Amino acid sequence: EEQLVESGGGLVKPGGSLRLSCAASGFMFTSYSMNWVRQAPGKGLEWVSSISAGSSYTDYADSVKGRVSISRDNGGNSVYLQMNSLRAEDTAVYYCARASLPGYQYMDVWGKGTTVTVSS
Amino acid sequence: QSVLTQPPSVSGAPGQRVAISCTGSSSNIGAGYDVHWYQQLPGTAPKLLISHNNNRPSGVPDRFSGSKSGTSASLAITGLQAEDEADYYCQSYDRSGYVFGPGTKVTVL
Repeated sequence: EEQLVESGGGLVKPGGSLRLSCAASGFMFTSYSMNWVRQAPGKGLEWVSSISAGSSYTDYADSVKGRVSISRDNGGNSVYLQMNSLRAEDTAVYYCARASLPGYQYMDVWGKGTTVTVSS
Repeated sequence: QSVLTQPPSVSGAPGQRVAISCTGSSSNIGAGYDVHWYQQLPGTAPKLLISHNNNRPSGVPDRFSGSKSGTSASLAITGLQAEDEADYYCQSYDRSGYVFGPGTKVTVL
C-alpha cells in the first residue's frame, strides 16, 4: 500500500523553528517529486513547497519563501520541511503529498497530516 | 485569497445532481493547465477525486465527473449520496506553483 506518514508537528512559540518529516512506503520513492500542503484551521488547502525526485529542483510559496526549506533523503524514503521564524499564520495541518507522474500536475497520494501550532 | 474561485457551498437531496464550478484565469486554467479535484471528508486528509479534468482514479464512483472549458472547470455529482457530504477542492497550476480553489462544502439534505 502506498503510504505517507508525517511527524514532527507540535506547539512552538512565534519566531521558533520546527522540522517536519514524512516517511514514504509502498512505492518507488526515488521516482517521485514530493510536496507539502497546509490547511489552516477552518480554511482551504495551500501548497507550501515542492522538491524534485533528485533534489535538484525546489520551489516555495511566496508566503513561506525565505523561512522554509524542503529536503529529502532518498536512501531513507523521507522528505523534510524545515520551518524557521514561525508566525501565528503558519498554524495549520501540514500534509505531505506525492506529485503525480508524468508531469507533476496533481497530488495522488496524501498523508494524514501533522499539526503545527504557533502560539505564545 | 485563492487564485481559483469556487462557490462556498452547494446542497442537494439524495439522488439529485449537484455541480461545483471552478473559475480561474488566463494564467492558470486558461493557459492550458488541467484541473484536478479532491474530496476531503470531515476530519480526514484530501483524496484525489478527478485528475486531468475528467479522469477518475480507480475506486472513484462514476457518479463523479469533471469537465473543463476555457478558464473554468466543473465537478458534477449525480445520484447524490449521504457519504458525498464533504469539502471539494479544485486545483490547477500557474507560474506561482500549484493553486487551489477555496473549497466547496457539499451538504446532502
